[in-house]
Amino acid sequence: QQQVKQSPQSLIVQKGGISIINCAYENTAFDYFPWYQQFPGKGPALLIAIRPDVSEKKEGRFTISFNKSAKQFSLHIMDSQPGDSATYFCAATSGGGADGLTFGKGTHLIIQP
Amino acid sequence: NAGVTQTPKFRVLKTGQSMTLLCAQDMNHEYMYWYRQDPGMGLRLIHYSVGEGTTAKGEVPDGYNVSRLKKQNFLLGLESAAPSQTSVYFCASSYGVEQYFGPGTRLTVT
Repeated sequence: QQQVKQSPQSLIVQKGGISIINCAYENTAFDYFPWYQQFPGKGPALLIAIRPDVSEKKEGRFTISFNKSAKQFSLHIMDSQPGDSATYFCAATSGGGADGLTFGKGTHLIIQP
Repeated sequence: NAGVTQTPKFRVLKTGQSMTLLCAQDMNHEYMYWYRQDPGMGLRLIHYSVGEGTTAKGEVPDGYNVSRLKKQNFLLGLESAAPSQTSVYFCASSYGVEQYFGPGTRLTVT
């Protein structure tokens, strides 16, 4: 049973455009929702995260939008740059994170110059 | 600080062979994790530890064993490797929800 569903699997965006990746979760106990960025040959790195008590969090060009009632959250990358080309994973956890993260299957993002 | 390091970076095994993957962290984190990453599958939790001397099963624990004898180290063992265990293995550590990942070990079982 996949607890975090991520879409799309792959995404091509023109430089300067907005990249949008969506995730939906099933477990209402989840209370922390991070996004990880992974470059080829590297480990995932935390990009931005949100808790369900806020509907939006912005850090630079990266924004998470969170809809608790719909059990959905999304990552928006504004003014997308070729250096943003990577694989992005949404994830979720509960209870302080000790039990580990449940990941989506990932989105391969390509920003075309 | 080196953060999270993993040894080895690459390994090729034959079916039935055994090996141990080593993860080390220098951030004094209590929690440590082992994930595997397969194409189109995201990362899946194999085993984790919430402190020295403790371990617990994750989503895909079959065929793996782990040990956490020292706080800074978390070992992942494959007793009898199978082709289905061909994957990239990532270790992570945390003191709370924010996990820090190592660079990964690419394992091929032939």
